[in-house]
Amino acid sequence: GQQVMQIPQYQHVQEGEDFTTYCNSSTTLSNIQWYKQRPGGHPVFLIQLVKSGEVKKQKRLTFQFGEAKKNSSLHITATQTTDVGTYFCAGEDNAGNMLTFGGGTRLMVKP
Amino acid sequence: DTEVTQTPKHLVMGMTNKKSLKCEQHMGHRAMYWYKQKAKKPPELMFVYSYEKLSINESVPSRFSPECPNSSLLNLHLHALQPEDSALYLCASSYPGSSYGYTFGSGTRLTVV
Repeated sequence: GQQVMQIPQYQHVQEGEDFTTYCNSSTTLSNIQWYKQRPGGHPVFLIQLVKSGEVKKQKRLTFQFGEAKKNSSLHITATQTTDVGTYFCAGEDNAGNMLTFGGGTRLMVKP
Repeated sequence: DTEVTQTPKHLVMGMTNKKSLKCEQHMGHRAMYWYKQKAKKPPELMFVYSYEKLSINESVPSRFSPECPNSSLLNLHLHALQPEDSALYLCASSYPGSSYGYTFGSGTRLTVV
């Protein structure tokens, strides 16, 4: 079955430093989605990438989808304490009806 | 209304009890999902309903029984659960082909004693 790996598992940064999490799928994806889950909360949708090589930006967040549609990354510039949480990538299969989550990267930001 | 509402928020049940989790959305989404999430782990897909029909059952034990009474409602019936079934149960919905991802509810935190 489809597997989605994500690294690192944890990342401690000083406020103002940059942060990147990487995601890799065992199979070619229809699309990749990114979610943020705050401690004690539920996953909240951030963005969806569909096209090979696609890059999207949301303020300090930059999302990339690999040329082979099997890997993706999320980069946060100048982290803030409000960025704390676990960031999950999630790949959707080509049938479009099954979203498989990566293991998540837990971001901790020291003020 | 851009929410998925789950009830109850917390549930403690014994291993011989029968209980149900409820999920409701009024966004016109035609796919609804149950996920199970253990502490510090990603959500794991349990069931997918597409246009009110069960389309995916990820080898979930029969003590979990999903039901989709209509396009806005999704239930998860629980019977004879084990302590290892204690987890956060998340409902989500989406519109097939949409670029807006899944909308998750805030979950039901289930403890089996």
